[in-house]
Amino acid sequence: IVMTQSPATLSVSPGERATLSCRASQSISDHLAWYQQKPGQAPRLLIYAASSRATGIPALFSGSGSGTEFTLTISSLQSEDFAVYYCQQYDNWPYTFGQGTKVEIK
Amino acid sequence: QVQLVQSGAEVKKPGSSVRVSCKASGGTSNTYGINWIRQAPGQGLEWLGGFIPISGSSQYAQKFQARVTIIPDESTGTTYLELNNLTSADTAIYFCAREAFGHGFDFWGQGTLVTVSS
Repeated sequence: IVMTQSPATLSVSPGERATLSCRASQSISDHLAWYQQKPGQAPRLLIYAASSRATGIPALFSGSGSGTEFTLTISSLQSEDFAVYYCQQYDNWPYTFGQGTKVEIK
Repeated sequence: QVQLVQSGAEVKKPGSSVRVSCKASGGTSNTYGINWIRQAPGQGLEWLGGFIPISGSSQYAQKFQARVTIIPDESTGTTYLELNNLTSADTAIYFCAREAFGHGFDFWGQGTLVTVSS
């Protein structure tokens, strides 16, 4: 299953909303996770089952979608939210990741 | 608190093999799998494979099927990744991650840099 993220880079001002997209090449139900990765760190799980926040993740992160189209929304970007975000499907082996969206300061 | 602690950096010659370990502590059980993901310099995340405790078997990405093995050691709570016939394209940071089935990869190791160079 090929996961395609868009855009590759998103330039956003602090306090603004960011909307990231992820598309699957075939239906994956809601078996989708989102991760945040900062330079020099391991990825961190944000969202699983397309819309459920992982433990300790603030409500400003929200996920939606099912089937083949998914969205991660960051409602009001804080300085610590500028990072690379990956989607990942776990509906079928082999698990696959999108290529990532870099959220940068505008 | 769950922790995954990986072994240290490795430098290997082309054609050789590498074994990376991932020791889990705090909150592990047979309901969780350990997966291996790598990240080449400046690149994205690539899944290599994972061990599924319920079935006692591993799943691998087809790209690595012929030269990767994931080996669990229940007695120590350690999972090993073995990758054979290394080339420079295998230079990457290798992460282990715990899979809570249906819940994604909820805990990650710190990463192990494997450098393949002659």
